[in-house]
Amino acid sequence: GIQVEQSPPDLILQEGANSTLRCNFSDSVNNLQWFHQNPWGQLINLFYIPSGTKQNGRLSATTVATERYSLLYISSSQTTDSGVYFCAVVSGAGSYQLTFGKGTKLSVIP
Amino acid sequence: EAGVAQSPRYKIIEKRQSVAFWCNPISGHATLYWYQQILGQGPKLLIQFQNNGVVDDSQLPKDRFSAERLKGVDSTLKIQPAKLEDSAVYLCASSPGLAGVTYEQYFGPGTRLTVT
Repeated sequence: GIQVEQSPPDLILQEGANSTLRCNFSDSVNNLQWFHQNPWGQLINLFYIPSGTKQNGRLSATTVATERYSLLYISSSQTTDSGVYFCAVVSGAGSYQLTFGKGTKLSVIP
Repeated sequence: EAGVAQSPRYKIIEKRQSVAFWCNPISGHATLYWYQQILGQGPKLLIQFQNNGVVDDSQLPKDRFSAERLKGVDSTLKIQPAKLEDSAVYLCASSPGLAGVTYEQYFGPGTRLTVT
């Protein structure tokens, strides 16, 4: 099956700093989503982005499908951005399941 | 628009007992998924329904896990008997859905199961 690798595994930021999270995948994808899992375990949808670039406030994402990677940018980080960020993909004909990476644990300190 | 609802939020049981989880997807979403998330890992699919039919249950441990989606709306996931390694968060997700098309998936708050 498809492999999804996220980097870095852990990231500590000072409040106000910017960061880039990376997601590499081993095969072509039909769907790619970025999620933020908050400390209570809720998976919050950030972006649905199988290709191209999207922006939502301080967050933006870019997927380069031909090169099999996606980037999540967080600008002017806030303590509420803390949590685990997951990249997940759907790959293969007739498949609809999301395959998740192991996540990037972000800690934003005041 | 209401999100995906799940209950209970937390459950503690002893090994060999049975447990059931309930999920109500977003209104109008035809596709429903159950994922298992073990601490420190990303969620993994257990079963996928399209309306009330099973699309993919290849990763469901069928000797102890069962799931149903009667009438194509609500779904229940059952574990009987539970093992210690079943301790995890069980997440339900839904997406609008037609066969052959992938859509964005939306997740519920999850049920945290602890087996002692």
